Amino acid sequence: GENVEQHPSTLSVQEGDSAVIKCTYSDSASNYFPWYKQELGKRPQLIIDIRSNVGEKKDQRIAVTLNKTAKHFSLHITETQPEDSAVYFCAASPNSGYALNFGKGTSLLVTP
Amino acid sequence: DAGVIQSPRHEVTEMGQEVTLRCKPISGHDYLFWYRQTMMRGLELLIYFNNNVPIDDSGMPEDRFSAKMPNASFSTLKIQPSEPRDSAVYFCASSTVADTQYFGPGTRLTVL
Repeated sequence: GENVEQHPSTLSVQEGDSAVIKCTYSDSASNYFPWYKQELGKRPQLIIDIRSNVGEKKDQRIAVTLNKTAKHFSLHITETQPEDSAVYFCAASPNSGYALNFGKGTSLLVTP
Repeated sequence: DAGVIQSPRHEVTEMGQEVTLRCKPISGHDYLFWYRQTMMRGLELLIYFNNNVPIDDSGMPEDRFSAKMPNASFSTLKIQPSEPRDSAVYFCASSTVADTQYFGPGTRLTVL
């Protein structure tokens, strides 16, 4: 089955700096890669996703890059703000309608 | 739309008791997923359904766990008998084949 590795497990940055979270996956059939943000005590919520026919996708301060050859994808957050503090999960799946295999999460802390 | 609805939001029970968690997916979504979240194991898929039919239950920990989806708008996850190690947050999520998985608010289960 799919195995998704996520690094780092914790990340602390100063407000205004950039944050990068990296994930690798094992199943070459995976072609859908969402990122979820989970605030304390809340549900995971999708913040951005990418499919394998695209190498990069951007939405305001958030971007995701995908390298299918190397089987890794990354989340980039620029100009971080304290409200970006949360746990971020990457996931991989053969399709958005299939079960997601999640990474273990990255706890991001943005300090003012 | 109200989103994915789960009940109860919190459940405290004693070891050996039966626990039933409930989920109402978003109307029109034909995939329903049950996940369990713990600090140690992260987000784990337990089982998922397509058009009310269980597709993959390989994540169900043991025979004490069972899930049903009697119709398109309702699913249950039952644990009988419950054990302290079942304490976790249980999330239900739903999607269509080409859309994001939307998570419910979760049920926080504590087994004493």
